[in-house]
Amino acid sequence: GEDVEQSLFLSVREGDSSVINCTYTDSSSTYLYWYKQEPGAGLQLLTYIFSNMDMKQDQRLTVLLNKKDKHLSLRIADTQTGDSAIYFCAEKGLDKFYFGSGTKLNVKP
Amino acid sequence: KAGVTQTPRYLIKTRGQQVTLSCSPISGHRSVSWYQQTPGQGLQFLFEYFSETQRNKGNFPGRFSGRQFSNSRSEMNVSTLELGDSALYLCASSLAPANQNSPLHFGNGTRLTVT
Repeated sequence: GEDVEQSLFLSVREGDSSVINCTYTDSSSTYLYWYKQEPGAGLQLLTYIFSNMDMKQDQRLTVLLNKKDKHLSLRIADTQTGDSAIYFCAEKGLDKFYFGSGTKLNVKP
Repeated sequence: KAGVTQTPRYLIKTRGQQVTLSCSPISGHRSVSWYQQTPGQGLQFLFEYFSETQRNKGNFPGRFSGRQFSNSRSEMNVSTLELGDSALYLCASSLAPANQNSPLHFGNGTRLTVT
């Protein structure tokens, strides 16, 4: 559960879709999470998916889970400048959470 | 419902001093976890408390300690501060401990600068 990996940067144009990817290691993880961190703030829980689900949609957010490949993605539709932030994926292991290093999303007007 | 509240927001201390950070969880949440966030190391788990008991501890030296009170509020203390302790310290609360399925809710953190 300790090696949750994400790419460091993603740059998109306003109105495009953003896809942020994450790989995790603990096959026994029951829940996987996406958090958003804006400058000067803590982590805000965006959404989470139970490990027996393949997809979860919540307004502009779509989470896809490929459990076989231990791959999680977050798609943001119609990305806005207000979506510029750092996005963290996290897996919940047996008794603690493991966070990726975060993907900095830059949205260009 | 009020979120997780951390005080103070900013602290500047000198090497060798000690510091105490405070965290008030969301009402009804009994689990509190602490994380250190730095640009180089990302989010590092410090410890988790549930019902006033430390349930889990990360790989930090004994200079880092914490406690939880009967009202679920938590404090963490860092003694003999070092320059490398400069970081954003985040507190997160949840309904249940981390061995159960309950997401973490974070406060806005305390930014500690050690000079």
